[in-house]
Amino acid sequence: DQQVKQNSPSLSVQEGRISILNCDYTNSMFDYFLWYKKYPAEGPTFLISISSIKDKNEDGRFTVFLNKSAKHLSLHIVPSQPGDSAVYFCAASGSNFGNEKLTFGTGTRLTIIP
Amino acid sequence: KAGVTQTPRYLIKTRGQQVTLSCSPISGHRSVSWYQQTPGQGLQFLFEYFSETQRNKGNFPGRFSGRQFSNSRSEMNVSTLELGDSALYLCASSPATGALNTEAFFGQGTRLTVV
Repeated sequence: DQQVKQNSPSLSVQEGRISILNCDYTNSMFDYFLWYKKYPAEGPTFLISISSIKDKNEDGRFTVFLNKSAKHLSLHIVPSQPGDSAVYFCAASGSNFGNEKLTFGTGTRLTIIP
Repeated sequence: KAGVTQTPRYLIKTRGQQVTLSCSPISGHRSVSWYQQTPGQGLQFLFEYFSETQRNKGNFPGRFSGRQFSNSRSEMNVSTLELGDSALYLCASSPATGALNTEAFFGQGTRLTVV
């Protein structure tokens, strides 16, 4: 039972344009959401997070949007740069079952085309 | 500040053997979690340790076990290895100060290949 889903295994975007990565979840008890970026042969690196009390969080070129009613979140990267090419994982946690337990999606491979 | 350190980086084992992986968290971090990453499955939560106690557990068979030492370092053990255990095993540490909504910091992982 995949509680966090990333339905697009891959995405290609032209350099300078906007990259939009999507994530859906099914467990309404999740109250904190995170995005991680992973390069080959490295561990995931934390990018940005959002609490369920917010609907938007911005950090530089990265913005995460949360739509609780639709159980959907998205990561926007503007403008996209070649160094953004990586696998992006969406993750969720909930204070009701341990903040340190993250439930991950299967990832989206983002390729930025120069 | 040093990051999360996992050893070894690569490991090849034979079916039926057992393996122990090690993780040193970021200094001051008290929580250590383990994840298994396989193609198409994303990262699957194995277990989390805090103050030498397993605080949370994922849906893995009993062949997967772990422990945490008083200095917060953690080990993960897999017994009676199966081909399907081939994966990247990632360790993550977090401060676990009791504050809600903290992110985890990951090590580079141990790539285990079972032949």
